[in-house]
Amino acid sequence: EAQVTQNPRYLITVTGKKLTVTCSQNMNHEYMSWYRQDPGLGLRQIYYSMNVEVTDKGDVPEGYKVSRKEKRNFPLILESPSPNQTSLYFCASSFRSGTTDTQYFGPGTRLTVL
Amino acid sequence: AQSVTQPDIHITVSEGASLELRCNYSYGATPYLFWYVQSPGQGLQLLLKYFSGDTLVQGIKGFEAEFKRSQSSFNLRKPSVHWSDAAEYFCAVGRFGNEKLTFGTGTRLTIIP
Repeated sequence: EAQVTQNPRYLITVTGKKLTVTCSQNMNHEYMSWYRQDPGLGLRQIYYSMNVEVTDKGDVPEGYKVSRKEKRNFPLILESPSPNQTSLYFCASSFRSGTTDTQYFGPGTRLTVL
Repeated sequence: AQSVTQPDIHITVSEGASLELRCNYSYGATPYLFWYVQSPGQGLQLLLKYFSGDTLVQGIKGFEAEFKRSQSSFNLRKPSVHWSDAAEYFCAVGRFGNEKLTFGTGTRLTIIP
């Protein structure tokens, strides 16, 4: 089954404790992206990747890191999480960037930083 | 900078009634426009998209949207809603297509019997 998976789905952590949210897709997509969703703000793009080893900042990259060492995986790293990073995070992927190719979204990761 | 406005935070519609969700965008060139739906506790699913060609776009689940350049709008419509359409709907504009999407704040749709 074609899908985007995220782990963990729920995470409660404390300020400053490094964490990684994994994202994996099995559709051989080139393009992957991370978003955060906050009430009243919709979804905002954090980082995106057009292919292996090619990443770029979205609208709200501060406090986050990403890497794209393999085509299928695009982990999101919070090296020193803070409470303002409490949010619902979505990973998405599509075949190509710069097109209207459909983006497929993962189920989301709800992160709480205390 | 590109932006999207969804002026209606919450809309309530009776089952079987028609629906129109508003979306206005700001973008300097020809926009790539998308409508997504998010059911409770779920990720987002693409309903339809527009880049060029026919300004009336058909999507999944019986939805359609019309691009009106003069009004900078991309409103979503459905002639007859079903209870299963209750969800949150997001309009998005893309720079370079799907590469850098800017989402609106969403419209929550409630369906009453």
